[in-house]
Amino acid sequence: EDQVTQSPEALRLQEGESSSLNCSYTVSGLRGLFWYRQDPGKGPEFLFTLYSAGEEKEKERLKATLTKKESFLHITAPKPEDSATYLCAVREADGQNFVFGPGTRLSVLP
Amino acid sequence: DVKVTQSSRYLVKRTGEKVFLECVQDMDHENMFWYRQDPGLGLRLIYFSYDVKMKEKGDIPEGYSVSREKKERFSLILESASTNQTSMYLCASSLSEAEAFFGQGTRLTVV
Repeated sequence: EDQVTQSPEALRLQEGESSSLNCSYTVSGLRGLFWYRQDPGKGPEFLFTLYSAGEEKEKERLKATLTKKESFLHITAPKPEDSATYLCAVREADGQNFVFGPGTRLSVLP
Repeated sequence: DVKVTQSSRYLVKRTGEKVFLECVQDMDHENMFWYRQDPGLGLRLIYFSYDVKMKEKGDIPEGYSVSREKKERFSLILESASTNQTSMYLCASSLSEAEAFFGQGTRLTVV
C-alpha cells in the first residue's frame, strides 16, 4: 500500500532559524512528488513538483529536494509569514490518485 | 493561472438534506478530485474523475456521489446529509502526471 509520512508533526522556529521538513514515501513507482502550503481555512497552495531522484527546486526561502525514498523541504531564514502547514503528496506510476501525507505544522516566531 | 472555484466557502445544512457542492476549473484539466479534510485525519479522497462521465471511488465514498457532465465541472452530492459529514471539502484538478490545483474549500456544517 502506498504511504506518505511527514516529520516532524509540528515545528516551531525563531525568525531566521533555518530548518528542514521531511517527507518519506513508499510507492510502487513514482510519477511525481508534490509540495503544498496550506493556511488555516484555505485550500492547499501548490509549491513544487519533483519527478526524479537528485532533482531540486527553489522558490524564495524554500528549496525542495528528492531522493529515491524521501524528500526534504528546506526553509532558509524563515519569516513569520512562512507559518503554515506544509503537505507533501505522491502520485504513483500506474495510478491517477494523489496520496497525501499528514503535514507538518510550521510556526515561525518573530 | 489555474483557477479552481468552489461554489460556496461556508454552508450550513440540516440532517437529511440533499447537498450539492459544485467545482469549476478553467484549465481544461482531465482529472478532477473531491477530498475532505478533518483535523488529525488529513486529506482523504472521496471520488475522482479522469474524464467526462467517468468516476472512480476514492477511500471514503460512502454517503457521497458525484457528477461530471462537462469537463470543467465536477459536483459532489451528499444524498442525505448527516452530522458526521461536517467537514472541509476540497476540490482539485490536474493534468495527468502533473500537480493538482485546489479550490478555496467549502466548510460544511450539518446540524
